[in-house]
Amino acid sequence: DTEVTQTPKHLVMGMTNKKSLKCEQHMGHRAMYWYKQKAKKPPELMFVYSYEKLSINESVPSRFSPECPNSSLLNLHLHALQPEDSALYLCASSQGTSGRARETQYFGPGTRLLVL
Amino acid sequence: AQSVTQLGSHVSVSEGALVLLRCNYSSSVPPYLFWYVQYPNQGLQLLLKYTSAATLVKGINGFEAEFKKSETSFHLTKPSAHMSDAAEYFCAVSSDEDGGSQGNLIFGKGTKLSVKP
Repeated sequence: DTEVTQTPKHLVMGMTNKKSLKCEQHMGHRAMYWYKQKAKKPPELMFVYSYEKLSINESVPSRFSPECPNSSLLNLHLHALQPEDSALYLCASSQGTSGRARETQYFGPGTRLLVL
Repeated sequence: AQSVTQLGSHVSVSEGALVLLRCNYSSSVPPYLFWYVQYPNQGLQLLLKYTSAATLVKGINGFEAEFKKSETSFHLTKPSAHMSDAAEYFCAVSSDEDGGSQGNLIFGKGTKLSVKP
């Protein structure tokens, strides 16, 4: 099973709302990622978790708060977002054990977020 | 620092024709190279990857790519296009280079492939 699942598929929120995106994998992977993808653009890395610890934060605004409760789950908490944060948010995972550079990242289907 | 350049933001071919999507990379250390495909409203799916073994890499759905160090290229090809190949294709590079970006995927801007009947 090489599936990464993400919920919800779609999310509409106001600028004062708090919401969370959820990502789950059961492949035993120890590295998990959040990406942001704007329309007609490539994915941009936001965060990397390695063995449930945040290892990379690509200068993401604090209104995005990641959390890795266990090795299978990754959350992205959203608060006070701006309309320009509307995008497809992709989660990915990789083995995380042999050096991330050569590993395949398996992507979920994404959550399409609209901020009004 | 690494980078990827995909020549042609949009490529259109006829069904049954050769597909050629171009990717050039820049890396100061041996690279790992990936091609991902993204269908509308979906995530990314790995087509194939190069990790310093054979220079000709075969992937899923009949795609293949050849790593050419002298040309710093990793072009994606498929002998005969199908309608189902219409999608966005991303080339990406990664490496063990020291620094904050070690192990991160650096994506090209993508090439949208259209297939005409």
